[in-house]
Amino acid sequence: NAGVTQTPKFRILKIGQSMTLQCTQDMNHNYMYWYRQDPGMGLKLIYYSVGAGITDKGEVPNGYNVSRSTTEDFPLRLELAAPSQTSVYFCASSSHSGGSSYEQYFGPGTRLTVT
Amino acid sequence: DQQVKQNSPSLSVQEGRISILNCDYTNSMFDYFLWYKKYPAEGPTFLISISSIKDKNEDGRFTVFLNKSAKHLSLHIVPSQPGDSAVYFCAAHTAGTYKYIFGTGTRLKVLA
Repeated sequence: NAGVTQTPKFRILKIGQSMTLQCTQDMNHNYMYWYRQDPGMGLKLIYYSVGAGITDKGEVPNGYNVSRSTTEDFPLRLELAAPSQTSVYFCASSSHSGGSSYEQYFGPGTRLTVT
Repeated sequence: DQQVKQNSPSLSVQEGRISILNCDYTNSMFDYFLWYKKYPAEGPTFLISISSIKDKNEDGRFTVFLNKSAKHLSLHIVPSQPGDSAVYFCAAHTAGTYKYIFGTGTRLKVLA
């Protein structure tokens, strides 16, 4: 079981460029999430998905898009990158099945710098 | 408006002693509280959780206490070990949703 994997680990973008952060989980979890963590701050929810084909906005969705065509994959798209999107991005998944204590499983993160 | 607060950004403890990390919240709709541990350059990993209907949950060296009237929870680590040095995040799950609110984290340093 690889758990939650994210690629790339690091990326430097120029202002206005676009990119897709990849996230894959092999635990057959229905629920997947994208967070960003800025220095000294907690994790802020960008988008989440409760199953294939269903996505919804979190606290800070502006400048991002997501899709969920399969249970395993939940890519995050940045269009027209801005310096304010410099952050560490974490993908997570969870089960919410009976008896679950609602824990989320996180990927290792993608450190993105926009200059 | 920060619904989950960790007011201590850092904490240093001697090896073998107790570490107590604190978390305060404001939203009565939270039904589960979770603690995560994060090492540098890694994602957070789940440590322990507690349902809002309980006041204590224990797992080995880790115990979480919940005081609903004070809207306060704490994580106790006994005995503390150098490998426990990490950033600890408190998170709260909102009943009826799939959303979690995270605190800003407390950096624990266990001194050998």
